[in-house]
Order: sequence, then structure tokens, then C-alpha cells
Amino acid sequence: ILNVEQSPQSLHVQEGDSTNFTCSFPSSNFYALHWYRWETAKSPEALFVMTLNGDEKKKGRISATLNTKEGYSYLYIKGSQPEDSATYLCASMDSNYQLIWGAGTKLIIKP
Amino acid sequence: KAGVTQTPRYLIKTRGQQVTLSCSPISGHRSVSWYQQTPGQGLQFLFEYFSETQRNKGNFPGRFSGRQFSNSRSEMNVSTLELGDSALYLCASNPTGGGNTEAFFGQGTRLTVV
Repeated sequence: ILNVEQSPQSLHVQEGDSTNFTCSFPSSNFYALHWYRWETAKSPEALFVMTLNGDEKKKGRISATLNTKEGYSYLYIKGSQPEDSATYLCASMDSNYQLIWGAGTKLIIKP
Repeated sequence: KAGVTQTPRYLIKTRGQQVTLSCSPISGHRSVSWYQQTPGQGLQFLFEYFSETQRNKGNFPGRFSGRQFSNSRSEMNVSTLELGDSALYLCASNPTGGGNTEAFFGQGTRLTVV
């Protein structure tokens, strides 16, 4: 993988359901993996920054895992709420400290 | 603490003109990065400045340039504007630009080239 890829591109989830999506990134020269939430008409906000293989981070109902050997990260949202509707971006940083961004997963929570 | 401030928020320019966008980072942050976002695309990295020096540069033509001042404020300039330069331009600040710290984004400047 040469670029950062996110899947799916968009996702409709019923309120209360749990969901997850994927970020794939180049595993060579890996330095850090960032997750951001971008709500409409707002600025992207950081969710997690992860660096270690096997790392798992949690913030409320949102959690993320990291596998640097195979080059993927999962973002999980438990019990989706309408306020979770946003585009979720991941970015991989290599040893040159340059962030390469995925195109994002647009999450829409249906009430 | 004040967040990252970008000015102006909206801008309409004509093809061939030039434009300068401004970004004031969070106080104490020395790294400022610039990104271009167009519909359907991820954030495209333009460049990063740290302590007044360009530390990283993305794959954009030389029409895109930037600088950083001693107070860490940064400007981005685009010369000879093209229709394809219409985009949301975001800047992000970070204490050191290191990969293990989060970036703080401004609200962006929406540039429309007509």
C-alpha cells in the first residue's frame, strides 16, 4: 500500500447500533497514526494519535486499534448517536514527519 | 487558550490573480502545516513550517509558496490562480510537528477562483 486508504467511503448506521471502519496505511517507515473527526462547518478535531503496534485507545464510546506490521487501524463507535455523524479521517505519518491523509469515511447516523 | 485562526474565511478571486492566506497558530505552537481539500479528495499536504523554516513540502507546483514569521504566524501564497485552485485551505498547528502529538486545525479559508 502506497497511500492511506479508508473504507467504507460512507456509512449509514441506525442510532444505537455499533459500527467500525478501517484505515490502511504503508507499514514501512511508519511513525504514527492519527484519527480525526470532522463535523460539517467545523474544523477537524483529533481523536487519537497512536504509535505502537497493538496500541488500543479509547475516548468515551469511541475506540481505535493499531496494527503497524500489517498496516491497518480500526475505529469503533459503540452505540452510535446522532452527534457521531461526521467524516472520520485517518492520517499516517512516516519517519519524515509528513502526514498522509485518507479520503475519510462519512458516517451518517439515522435516528 | 485561543485556537488556530485563519483569515479570511472566504475569498473569491479571478484566474491569473494571486492570493495570500493567513494562519495564526495556537500560542506556543511552532509548527504550522497547510492543506488543500477539494470535494472527494483527502487532505492534500502543501507544506509545513517550523521555526520559520520550511521543513516538509508536498507535491504542488511552485505557484504555491509559504512562509512563517518569528511569532509562528504563517502565510500561504498562490500566484497565477487557476480554476482548479478552488478549494478549502486548512492550516494546522502543532507544538513541535512531531508525529506523536495531535494537530489543531483552523476553520479554513474557502477560495473560489472564477
